[in-house]
Amino acid sequence: KAGVTQTPRYLIKTRGQQVTLSCSPISGHRSVSWYQQTPGQGLQFLFEYFSETQRNKGNFPGRFSGRQFSNSRSEMNVSTLELGDSALYLCASSLEVPSGANVLTFGAGSRLTVL
Amino acid sequence: AQSVAQPEDQVNVAEGNPLTVKCTYSVSGNPYLFWYVQYPNRGLQFLLKYITGDNLVKGSYGFEAEFNKSQTSFHLKKPSALVSDSALYFCAVRDKWDQAGTALIFGKGTTLSVSS
Repeated sequence: KAGVTQTPRYLIKTRGQQVTLSCSPISGHRSVSWYQQTPGQGLQFLFEYFSETQRNKGNFPGRFSGRQFSNSRSEMNVSTLELGDSALYLCASSLEVPSGANVLTFGAGSRLTVL
Repeated sequence: AQSVAQPEDQVNVAEGNPLTVKCTYSVSGNPYLFWYVQYPNRGLQFLLKYITGDNLVKGSYGFEAEFNKSQTSFHLKKPSALVSDSALYFCAVRDKWDQAGTALIFGKGTTLSVSS
């Protein structure tokens, strides 16, 4: 079956713009999590959604937001882009709430470059 | 607070030799531990996880990991490295008793380079 699909794979924006990234989870998976990957900070948790509700949020400014739709697809938005937002944004899905030993299945990521 | 440390930025081994990628963790309760691998321009792929029980966990592609509670370590191992194992490896943890802790806490990653 199809894996986690993220679009777009690559994008370039300028400071001050906003961006929306999309994630389609594995069919049947109801939970979507987002992570930011940078060379300096590594992998950092952004937020997690389950059944259209944000259940957990990482330590990121309010410029970072997200939502989940009834079909479990998720989007994340970053407004007023800063140079430091340049990163690989990874989406992961799981069948249930990603607690305990549940395994996350990751997409290939969306690479954002802010100029 | 939960944390994961991968003390080596890079590990170099020759093909056919055993490899070890180190990971230590810190959680307030009991841990769930994971190893993921990332190939260039790809997302993270799950290798194995420790839940409870046997301290030696076997995973995908011939990898295994040894859980050591007293040393709070979860080192990744493989008896015979392949050039195709060259990638970026991440250790991650969740606290078993932290109900709000749905996030995975990742280490900084270790680049494994296997030479032929």
